[in-house]
Amino acid sequence: SQQGEEDPQALSIQEGENATMNCSYKTSINNLQWYRQNSGRGLVHLILIRSNEREKHSGRLRVTLDTSKKSSSLLITASRAADTASYFCATDYNDMRFGAGTRLTVKP
Amino acid sequence: GAVVSQHPSRVICKSGTSVKIECRSLDFQATTMFWYRQFPKQSLMLMATSNEGSKATYEQGVEKDKFLINHASLTLSTLTVTSAHPEDSSFYICSARDQIGQFFGPGTRLTVL
Repeated sequence: SQQGEEDPQALSIQEGENATMNCSYKTSINNLQWYRQNSGRGLVHLILIRSNEREKHSGRLRVTLDTSKKSSSLLITASRAADTASYFCATDYNDMRFGAGTRLTVKP
Repeated sequence: GAVVSQHPSRVICKSGTSVKIECRSLDFQATTMFWYRQFPKQSLMLMATSNEGSKATYEQGVEKDKFLINHASLTLSTLTVTSAHPEDSSFYICSARDQIGQFFGPGTRLTVL
């Protein structure tokens, strides 16, 4: 079964704009991870945030985690056309369960 | 880094045949391996969890007699789709877990004609 919901389901922005994707989950977690997937391809790991962390940065990526609300967000700053992909959050607690995903389109 | 491989990367078969997909952890021993399925424009759904030498645990709604999982060693798991039908066409992704984390293979695209 899937862990939770992501919103928006689809997001279309212009190059240079920021993109924010949200993820909600239902159960306990050890950590939460974000992945990217280009159409028809495998997963690319983006970032991991542990349950005792609130915010983490990696390049143009910023992830927040609110365990009291069981939610996380992924912010991509200064987006590029190459960021066009589907983005998934995945909760980790003995196994990994994925959210529904957000399809991001960045227009050049 | 931890690398997981899958073979084949792509397979096309006729309806009614069986297809085997291999998953290997190349540079680490996996305590547990997982199989996921992803239909077009959807997310990854966990199908089953397997530990070496024991029977796999299947998620609700996944037919264990249709999706046979063998986890013969700490580095190899196989998924056999038996009597495949067009509705089994999907992207199958395996994953291997050790003490450090869980790592994903590149996926196998199955098309059943």
